[in-house]
Amino acid sequence: QVQLQESGPGLVKPSGTLSLTCDVSGDSITSGNWWTWVRQPPGEGLEWIAEIYHTGYTKYNPSLKSRVTISVDNSNNQFSLRVTSVTAADTAVYYCARSTDWCLGFWGQGTLVTVSS
Amino acid sequence: QSALTQPPSASGSPGQSVTISCTGTSSDVGGYNYVSWYQQHPGKAPKVVIYEVSKRPSGVPDRFSGSKSGNTASLTVSGLRAEDEADYHCSSYAGSYWVFGGGTKLTVL
Repeated sequence: QVQLQESGPGLVKPSGTLSLTCDVSGDSITSGNWWTWVRQPPGEGLEWIAEIYHTGYTKYNPSLKSRVTISVDNSNNQFSLRVTSVTAADTAVYYCARSTDWCLGFWGQGTLVTVSS
Repeated sequence: QSALTQPPSASGSPGQSVTISCTGTSSDVGGYNYVSWYQQHPGKAPKVVIYEVSKRPSGVPDRFSGSKSGNTASLTVSGLRAEDEADYHCSSYAGSYWVFGGGTKLTVL
């Protein structure tokens, strides 16, 4: 069974950089799927952030593209997210997920990242 | 402001049917047959219940169905059960990225 697990700091200071990693098990990150980050501010809806293919090909949400970088580490079967110049508006539960058949079929449990001084 | 428009709430009694709409534009919902729906219970990660407009993943009851007309997609839950009470999010491909709706809270009365 495919499992994804997010990890990273739960608290980031304003104007700092948010960094998260998603460890993938039960599947190879080079298996031909897209690997995705989605976030959900408290009490709000989902927001698609970015996705990456194992070759390094990327897609970004146009509204976040200037501050976001997604990367993949094939040797460690993981992928990562960096968001720079964070503000309180970046406070959210961040999910990593696997995209197959044009949908997000497997999700991590999510990790809450709070932006606060 | 979400890219796709969903009603904030919907409700129905056990056994009834309820339909949730998801309205976008010709650049997303209307332009691609890549609409998916996600069910999310409180404190849990979302779970896909419909993909490619009307396909059901293995294990999802056939009480869940999806459709699309023009720029609006719909999710219908028939034979409502207590466990269907959750938030439902629609999503659509938009050419080079994906967009979500604001989510609809489904209450089973």
